[in-house]
Amino acid sequence: EPEVTQTPSHQVTQMGQEVILRCVPISNHLYFYWYRQILGQKVEFLVSFYNNEISEKSEIFDDQFSVERPDGSNFTLKIRSTKLEDSAMYFCASMADGAGRKLFFGSGTQLSVL
Amino acid sequence: AQTVTQSQPEMSVQEAETVTLSCTYDTSESDYYLFWYKQPPSRQMILVIRQEAYKQQNATENRFSVNFQKAAKSFSLKISDSQLGDAAMYFCAYRSRMGSSNTGKLIFGQGTTLQVKP
Repeated sequence: EPEVTQTPSHQVTQMGQEVILRCVPISNHLYFYWYRQILGQKVEFLVSFYNNEISEKSEIFDDQFSVERPDGSNFTLKIRSTKLEDSAMYFCASMADGAGRKLFFGSGTQLSVL
Repeated sequence: AQTVTQSQPEMSVQEAETVTLSCTYDTSESDYYLFWYKQPPSRQMILVIRQEAYKQQNATENRFSVNFQKAAKSFSLKISDSQLGDAAMYFCAYRSRMGSSNTGKLIFGQGTTLQVKP
């Protein structure tokens, strides 16, 4: 089965630093998402991306966050100035168009902000 | 806005027995999708089962089945013949039908941790 690939699996950074989380969605997919999960809590929607633009974002996705699909294959999440509360597991997901619309999740990047 | 509620933070079941995890949701929409995801300790999100709201028939996937009660806005997951590998966090999730204002985002419940006892 095709996979969504996320790198790195773990990222440790200092508060105030910029981080970029990388994702390679499945090649023929058109819809892309970032979710996050603080340890022990539910999975929360951050942003959806379609047709090279953000289609929806949550309240969590403030000006410190941005997404990009720079080269038609990678899908990145940037946090400009990390805070302690940004520590979480970040999941990338993608979905094809058409019937079924099954969402495929990546294995996640655990971000630890010190 | 849609909400998803899982009122059981933790459940336990004896191996080979049956367990039911509860989920309720709130929506004003008539067409939507409901999902159960399994999250083992590796934290990978694994789709267990999916239900389309317009289908009256309850979805089944091997040992997993759902009881979908649309009027009651209830969507429970039944795991039959529980196995040790079923131990995980289970999340119920809602998705609106895709459209001009619906982007396909999932709304998750708080999760239920399932323990399977040998």
